[in-house]
Amino acid sequence: ETGVTQTPRHLVMGMTNKKSLKCEQHLGHNAMYWYKQSAKKPLELMFVYNFKEQTENNSVPSRFSPECPNSSHLFLHLHTLQPEDSALYLCASSQEEGTSGHEQYFGPGTRLTVT
Amino acid sequence: GQSLEQPSEVTAVEGAIVQINCTYQTSGFNGLFWYQQHAGEAPTFLSYNVLDGLEEKGRFSSFLSRSKGYSYLLLKELQMKDSASYLCAVRSGDYKLSFGAGTTVTVRA
Repeated sequence: ETGVTQTPRHLVMGMTNKKSLKCEQHLGHNAMYWYKQSAKKPLELMFVYNFKEQTENNSVPSRFSPECPNSSHLFLHLHTLQPEDSALYLCASSQEEGTSGHEQYFGPGTRLTVT
Repeated sequence: GQSLEQPSEVTAVEGAIVQINCTYQTSGFNGLFWYQQHAGEAPTFLSYNVLDGLEEKGRFSSFLSRSKGYSYLLLKELQMKDSASYLCAVRSGDYKLSFGAGTTVTVRA
C-alpha cells in the first residue's frame, strides 16, 4: 500500500449505531487530519494530530471522537450521528504541522450516509 | 478568520485555456495551494505559491499576488481528463489550512 488509505469507502449507519472510520498513511508523515466535505461547501477541518498529539479540535460535536494511536494511524469514532452528518470524510497527512511548504496528501475518503 | 472566494463553475472546450481565480483574506500568510479533485476521488496536490509571481508546472501554472490577496490557476491545452473540481487553500499565520468551496471545470469536446 502506498499513500493514504481509508476504510471503509462507503458506510450507511443509523442514528443509534456506533462505527469507526480508519485512516492509514504510508508516507512517514507526522501530522494527520480529518476533514468533512459536504456538497458545494469548502472542506471543513475537524481534527489535527501532530506527532500523535491532538493540536486542533475545530468545535466538532462530541459524537465524533478521534483517536491517533501512532503517527501512521488515525481513527474517527462515530456514535449517535444526525442525518446532517452525512458527507464525505477525508483523511490527510503531511510531513509536520506548523511549518510552511508541506502539502497535505489526502486519502480517497469515506462516503457516510446517516439514516 | 480566513475566507476564500472562487467561482463555482467554469466550462470550456478541449484545447482551450482556463483561468480559475481565487481571492482570499487571511490573518498572516504561509502559502497558497491548489488541489485537483475528480468526482469520488481524493484531492491531489497541484501547486504551491508562497512568493509573488508565476509558478509553471507543465500545462498548469499558478500565480500569486500577496498584496492583492489573489491567486489564479491556469490550465492550458485543456483535455477531457481535466474535468474536475479545483480547490484553492490558504495557510494562515498559525499554519492552519483553509479551503475554498472549489471550482468545477467541465471540458467539452
